[in-house]
Amino acid sequence: GENVEQHPSTLSVQEGDSAVIKCTYSDSASNYFPWYKQELGKGPQLIIDIRSNVGEKKDQRIAVTLNKTAKHFSLHITETQPEDSAVYFCAAYQTGNQFYFGTGTSLTVIP
Amino acid sequence: SQTIHQWPATLVQPVGSPLSLECTVEGTSNPNLYWYRQAAGRGLQLLFYSVGIGQISSEVPQNLSASRPQDRQFILSSKKLLLSDSGFYLCAWSVLFANTEAFFGQGTRLTVV
Repeated sequence: GENVEQHPSTLSVQEGDSAVIKCTYSDSASNYFPWYKQELGKGPQLIIDIRSNVGEKKDQRIAVTLNKTAKHFSLHITETQPEDSAVYFCAAYQTGNQFYFGTGTSLTVIP
Repeated sequence: SQTIHQWPATLVQPVGSPLSLECTVEGTSNPNLYWYRQAAGRGLQLLFYSVGIGQISSEVPQNLSASRPQDRQFILSSKKLLLSDSGFYLCAWSVLFANTEAFFGQGTRLTVV
């Protein structure tokens, strides 16, 4: 089955700096890659996603890049704010299968 | 619009007692349904997923079971809880055979004492 690895497990940045979280996957059949943000005591919520026919997607301060050849994808958050502090999960999915999640990155933005 | 309801939000149960967590989805038909468990500070462990009524796939051997008695209802159960069953339980749904996101409920914090 699919194996998703996520790094780093913890990340601290100064407010205004950028944060980058990286994930790799093993199954080349995976074709959809969502990123989730989970605040304490709540369920994860989608913040951005990318499909395998696209190399990059941006939504305001958040961007995701996908390298299908290398089987890795990354989340980029620019101009970080304290409210960006949360746990972030990447996931890989192939049609008709299940979601495979990374182990999460705890991001702390220091004011 | 689609919504997912999961209850209760918190639960404290003694060891050896039964468990029933319920999840319902509104506004869609034939969803994929999932149960995840999250230990403190850890990732999401898939427990069960279902592609239709009565169709349950179990990902890990455990003290838990799942049932899908109706299209948009997913129930997580245990006959006798263990201390190790404590955790944060999340229900989720996604559109069947579509490359779209999974939508999560707000979770149930289960503490077995």
